[in-house]
Amino acid sequence: ILNVEQSPQSLHVQEGDSTNFTCSFPSSNFYALHWYRWETAKSPEALFVMTLNGDEKKKGRISATLNTKEGYSYLYIKGSQPEDSATYLCAFLNSGYSTLTFGKGTMLLVSP
Amino acid sequence: GAVVSQHPSWVICKSGTSVKIECRSLDFQATTMFWYRQFPKQSLMLMATSNEGSKATYEQGVEKDKFLINHASLTLSTLTVTSAHPEDSSFYICSARWTGRYGYTFGSGTRLTVV
Repeated sequence: ILNVEQSPQSLHVQEGDSTNFTCSFPSSNFYALHWYRWETAKSPEALFVMTLNGDEKKKGRISATLNTKEGYSYLYIKGSQPEDSATYLCAFLNSGYSTLTFGKGTMLLVSP
Repeated sequence: GAVVSQHPSWVICKSGTSVKIECRSLDFQATTMFWYRQFPKQSLMLMATSNEGSKATYEQGVEKDKFLINHASLTLSTLTVTSAHPEDSSFYICSARWTGRYGYTFGSGTRLTVV
């Protein structure tokens, strides 16, 4: 059983604050790490697909880093806005499988 | 592009009845569709993988006779919860792989409540 952990479980910040959360995953047989943004009643939206150790990806105010040797990825949001409020999911793709293993997500609430 | 439409978004049914959930790929052909279930405060758990034109592959502990999956066309996969019980109440969501091993797109999910 593959174990993907996300922390914190939830986070409440003020508009303008920068924040970050963690996804940890098995360091062996790594293939890819996905980040999704999931708003209530909508489909999870793909943010990043990360494959290379040391990779850093950016999309607007959101960025992510990847350390496959130690098995973690960080997601950063700079200058949080209320519209960033959502659950952020990470999902691990093992080299032996074609299915994603998800963490429980980090629920972010940004207050105006 | 790569949109998956899932219906219904919520359903309430009586114990013992069956419920069908549909996922359609709107602008691409989904040869493989994944079905997940999520209980409160838990992660999305893979139930089964369906491939167009063949039998679905179920994860350990998922009853294939209870959760019937049909993937008869490249744009439609259905999950039927048969003889539903209150413990089947959960959030069900489908996903399709649309480009290589990296591109996964999701439906918006179905909240099933069995009373």
